[in-house]
Amino acid sequence: DSGVTQTPKHLITATGQRVTLRCSPRSGDLSVYWYQQSLDQGLQFLIQYYNGEERAKGNILERFSAQQFPDLHSELNLSSLELGDSALYFCASSGGGQGFFEQYFGPGTRLTVT
Amino acid sequence: SQQGEEDPQALSIQEGENATMNCSYKTSINNLQWYRQNSGRGLVHLILIRSNEREKHSGRLRVTLDTSKKSSSLLITASRAADTASYFCATDAKQGEDKIIFGKGTRLHILP
Repeated sequence: DSGVTQTPKHLITATGQRVTLRCSPRSGDLSVYWYQQSLDQGLQFLIQYYNGEERAKGNILERFSAQQFPDLHSELNLSSLELGDSALYFCASSGGGQGFFEQYFGPGTRLTVT
Repeated sequence: SQQGEEDPQALSIQEGENATMNCSYKTSINNLQWYRQNSGRGLVHLILIRSNEREKHSGRLRVTLDTSKKSSSLLITASRAADTASYFCATDAKQGEDKIIFGKGTRLHILP
């Protein structure tokens, strides 16, 4: 158990809809990262937040947005969903801010868009 | 450009043998990390090696880094059934975009 929790575990929704994925980092970690894992694209870094502020941005689509709240939990919002958005979405946390160091991954949310 | 390309894509070995996986990348890096993923689950951090380090050990794991060849290798000695998993390398570029890039991974299967 990494100490990172993600909800929900599974999500099935239709194209055009909007969903919110939630992540609680390990106790004491200030950085939260979001990743998308699909068979064709592999594991893609989406975005990093550190202590409530956006720190680094990866391959995140404009239809996706994220935020980190004062209690350090984070949410990833996916809107206007397309079939290609079906994937595993992971959240990870670490203690550091600048740079990418040892990250602790949550169990993931499996999103299926039909 | 794609960083962190693992080789081979898949590897099957007998239990007790050593497993070697390689990772190549394209630009200068700050550090390189290796992660393990059991099917459909979250990644587990194995080891981080900084760009000024050449070799690092952790238990049965040995990682080498050759910055002149822009490559790294992960050696798992005396493999066990529980080592069956996918292994990913991840790099963050020293210059340019501030992001981490994972390779597509090596699927390791340990045969009993």
